[in-house]
This record gives sequence, C-alpha cells and structure tokens, in this order.
Amino acid sequence: DTEVTQTPKHLVMGMTNKKSLKCEQHMGHRAMYWYKQKAKKPPELMFVYSYEKLSINESVPSRFSPECPNSSLLNLHLHALQPEDSALYLCASSQDGGTGMFTDTQYFGPGTRLTVL
Amino acid sequence: QKEVEQNSGPLSVPEGAIASLNCTYSDRGSQSFFWYRQYSGKSPELIMFIYSNGDKEDGRFTAQLNKASQYVSLLIRDSQPSDSATYLCAVNKYNQGGKLIFGQGTELSVKP
Repeated sequence: DTEVTQTPKHLVMGMTNKKSLKCEQHMGHRAMYWYKQKAKKPPELMFVYSYEKLSINESVPSRFSPECPNSSLLNLHLHALQPEDSALYLCASSQDGGTGMFTDTQYFGPGTRLTVL
Repeated sequence: QKEVEQNSGPLSVPEGAIASLNCTYSDRGSQSFFWYRQYSGKSPELIMFIYSNGDKEDGRFTAQLNKASQYVSLLIRDSQPSDSATYLCAVNKYNQGGKLIFGQGTELSVKP
C-alpha cells in the first residue's frame, strides 16, 4: 500500500483567513514533503521533514508554516496568503528521505486545490 | 541550463504506437531517476524508477538510462488514449536531503 491522504481536497480562503492542510501516511515512511504546483508547471519543493525534524525549507515565505506532529502526520498552516499562492499543494512521503539513500522513492498524495480570494 | 530538461510537447501519437519520452540531466553524479504520470488536475503517480544503465521493463513501459550521455527515456508500447497525460522526469538529489528535481514535463496525447 502506497497511500498518502490529504485533506481537504479543495479549499477557498480569503487573504485574512487562517487555515491548515493535512497529510497522513501509514507506510512507516520517515520523510514527508510539501510541494506546490502551479498550472502547467512541475511540482516545486517547499519543505522536507526527515525523522520528524525540518530538514529543508526552500526559502518559503513565513505565511506558510509546516508542522510534523508525528512520523505519520504533516500539516501546513496558512495565514495571510496572497492570490498568487493559489495552487495545488501536494504532500509526499518516502522511506528514507535525507539519509543519503539514492533508492529512496517519493509517493504523492492526491493534493489540495487551494484558491485564495 | 536547467538541471533536468524535457521536451514540453505536446507529443501526439496514434493509438497502438510507441510513445518515446526523453529527459536529460546535468549533474553527472545523479544516480536515481523517476518517471511520474500526471493526469490533468490530479497528482503525480509513480510509473517507474531506474538506477542502472540499460533498460528496465514493467508491462507496457520501458525506462532506459544512459549515464554516459546523461539521458533517461520512457517508452510506452501499444499506447492507449488513457495514457494521455503529462509525464514528469525527476532526479533524486539524495545527497541534498532527498529532494526531487523535476523536468518541465512532456504532455502526451494518444489519438484513437
């Protein structure tokens, strides 16, 4: 089973709202990722958690705040977003991210379609 | 020069033909390569990964890797309309925290 789940599927929010995206995996993977994808573009990495510690922050604005409560859960807290932040937000997980295993494989969840008004 | 490059397409092939998708990468130290399929409005789905030079087959899909030429390809035999999607080539930067670097993707259209 290579299932990563994400909620909600769709989210519409105003620029003053605070919301959160959630991601869950039960594959025993030790790395979890947030990507942002705009239309007709490839996914762009935002954050990586490896063994529940933030290992990569790709210079993401502070209005995006990641959280990894445990090895199965990953949240992305959103605050004061801009319309240009509207995109598909993808969560992924992998067995060994950040440990130097070149065989490590990432599996993506279905994504959350975010619209900022 | 982008680290991973793909022809954006669209690539159009008739049903039943072989679709050939190509990808080049610039970091000669790269060791692992992935092909993801992404239907419009959906998330990327892993099709294949390849680590060793040569061919790797899985059903109608064959991945080919040539490290000397820094070239990865994906062949889809007996293409079906359901194969119409964007195909993303990715390189695993395993020595940089495991981040995936994606190409721009190739849009494939299989015509009945």
